[in-house]
Amino acid sequence: DTGVSQDPRHKITKRGQNVTFRCDPISEHNRLYWYRQTLGQGPEFLTYFQNEAQLEKSRLLSDRFSAERPKGSFSTLEIQRTEQGDSAMYLCASSLGPGGNEQYFGPGTRLTVT
Amino acid sequence: AQKVTQAQTEISVVEKEDVTLDCVYETRDTTYYLFWYKQPPSGELVFLIRRNSFDEQNEISGRYSWNFQKSTSSFNFTITASQVVDSAVYFCALSEAPTGGFKTIFGAGTRLFVKA
Repeated sequence: DTGVSQDPRHKITKRGQNVTFRCDPISEHNRLYWYRQTLGQGPEFLTYFQNEAQLEKSRLLSDRFSAERPKGSFSTLEIQRTEQGDSAMYLCASSLGPGGNEQYFGPGTRLTVT
Repeated sequence: AQKVTQAQTEISVVEKEDVTLDCVYETRDTTYYLFWYKQPPSGELVFLIRRNSFDEQNEISGRYSWNFQKSTSSFNFTITASQVVDSAVYFCALSEAPTGGFKTIFGAGTRLFVKA
């Protein structure tokens, strides 16, 4: 399977703990996106990378969130000092080209903060 | 600012009926891209179609068709002869370029139930 993969698929953590998620995009895709999706809503943009450069970060993203894409391959999304409001599905997607192309999504990581 | 509105929260049809999912968007850019994605019960979003702002031709792919009208800022999606397997949440999305940096904004989605 050469699609987008995410790890872990599920994460339960206690409030105040740090969590890190990983995304492996389709190998030749230069763009990588992170989204958050809550029940009954569409994916909400968090940030995106072109190769290793983080080009945009949502103003909704607090300083507790950070993302990296070293070497322009896989990406990690870290949430520090988790809060109950962080509970959501975190989606990763990748695309090929300069932008505006279709994105291919991974299965997501479901985070539950207790 | 970008905005995508899917006014229909849920639609329920009986198998073989035709159904249209509405999408209205707002953008200040002249160059932008519109998308439809399907999210089946299994959860993973699946790309269906992409349209750029300079191409208003309607498109048909099997039982699926899309109607793009810039005059009304709409990009509607019709499923002909719906099937139970079409049951899913469908999202319309907008990506502006280049001032929008290709950030993609999704609508809230329309949940489609197709009953046998």
